[in-house]
Amino acid sequence: KNEVEQSPQNLTAQEGEFITINCSYSVGISALHWLQQHPGGGIVSLFMLSSGKKKHGRLIATINIQEKHSSLHITASHPRDSAVYICAARRGGTSYGKLTFGQGTILTVHP
Amino acid sequence: DGGITQSPKYLFRKEGQNVTLSCEQNLNHDAMYWYRQDPGQGLRLIYYSQIVNDFQKGDIAEGYSVSREKKESFPLTVTSAQKNPTAFYLCASSIEVYNEQFFGPGTRLTVL
Repeated sequence: KNEVEQSPQNLTAQEGEFITINCSYSVGISALHWLQQHPGGGIVSLFMLSSGKKKHGRLIATINIQEKHSSLHITASHPRDSAVYICAARRGGTSYGKLTFGQGTILTVHP
Repeated sequence: DGGITQSPKYLFRKEGQNVTLSCEQNLNHDAMYWYRQDPGQGLRLIYYSQIVNDFQKGDIAEGYSVSREKKESFPLTVTSAQKNPTAFYLCASSIEVYNEQFFGPGTRLTVL
């Protein structure tokens, strides 16, 4: 079992729909990252959070430390949101600072 | 504009040849990283460097080598010893090794 698991692996939505991508982790963390990878391959950091909730435009990220679970929500989705979304756990303990990545969720938003 | 550049975007090499991937940053970051991405898998750490003239092996360092002679530059050499070199390679940097990482655009290497 991977230390960081994302679901779903593939997600298709119609423009305007509310989207949720989930991330569960089994390791101790100091923070969790959500990243966006566009078809060209470059990666952009969306959020880094260690508790609670963060919001940027139509994107919302939440984390529940006790349940070891994080979610990324996209409100009023748009075709330009189509990308691969990756969660990454920033390790704590003896591996402090190291990132462990989920396998990514491929999101396609149709007009 | 500050950022991370990787060149080239696409690279083709014959089997058995060494190849060097470039990564340059002008963010004045101390730490730099190399990751490998394969379809359906999460990014995996190849090497990282906390500071100039220092580097450490990551999870999949076999068949790769790096150098860090300048703060701005962290080239990765894929040697002929790497059994499965075809992949997408991403470079990243951060202010210090435990801080938020910023990623370059990546280089797609295909070994024929």
